[in-house]
Amino acid sequence: EADIYQTPRYLVIGTGKKITLECSQTMGHDKMYWYQQDPGMELHLIHYSYGVNSTEKGDLSSESTVSRIRTEHFPLTLESARPSHTSQYLCASTRTGTVSYNEQFFGPGTRLTVL
Amino acid sequence: GEDVEQSLFLSVREGDSSVINCTYTDSSSTYLYWYKQEPGAGLQLLTYIFSNMDMKQDQRLTVLLNKKDKHLSLRIADTQTGDSAIYFCAENSNSNSGYALNFGKGTSLLVTP
Repeated sequence: EADIYQTPRYLVIGTGKKITLECSQTMGHDKMYWYQQDPGMELHLIHYSYGVNSTEKGDLSSESTVSRIRTEHFPLTLESARPSHTSQYLCASTRTGTVSYNEQFFGPGTRLTVL
Repeated sequence: GEDVEQSLFLSVREGDSSVINCTYTDSSSTYLYWYKQEPGAGLQLLTYIFSNMDMKQDQRLTVLLNKKDKHLSLRIADTQTGDSAIYFCAENSNSNSGYALNFGKGTSLLVTP
C-alpha cells in the first residue's frame, strides 16, 4: 500500500474562494506530481517537482500553483476557485533519477466541486 | 506530446478472459505500465513490462508487448466482478516532462455476472 495521502478527499466550495489541496508522502520520494483527471477519465499533468524548492508546470496549463518546501509535502493552491476548476486532482510520487523502472505511487485523490 | 491510445469500454462476462489493448507512439519508451483505478480511488500499479521483453505473466495477468508495432495488451484470465474498474496504459521516456508517466485515456472494464 502506497504511503501517499491527500486531503480533503472531497471539497465543495463557492466561486472565488481560495483553496489548498494537501499531498504528503512518507516514502522519501524526490519527484512529486499533480494530475488533473477530467470526467472523461484522462489524466493531465499540471505540475511536477524534482525535489525541494523545485516546481515546474506540466503539459496542461493550470491556474493553480504549487510549492515544495519539504520533501514530503507538495500542496496545490487555487487563489480564486471557478466552476471550470471542478475536477479530480491526483497527487503522485516516485523515486528515480533518470528513465528506469519508474512506478508512480498515487494518492486517493481530491474531488473538487466549485459552485 | 506522444500519444497513448486505448479503447474506452470493454464488457465481459464473469469467468471469461478480458483483453485490453493499447498503442503508443514514443519509440524511446523504456517501461510500459498498467494501472487500475477503482471508483473514487487513485491509481494502483497492476504490472509493468520492460521494453526489451515481449511477455510477462503475473498470476491472472498477462502482458504482451509488440515493440515493432508499439502495441501493448493486458489479458485478465478468469475475470471477476471485482475486476470492474478503469485500466490505464502508461509509458515513460526521457521526453516526458519531469519523467512523468504518459497515460492513455483509460479503458472502462465492466464484468457482468
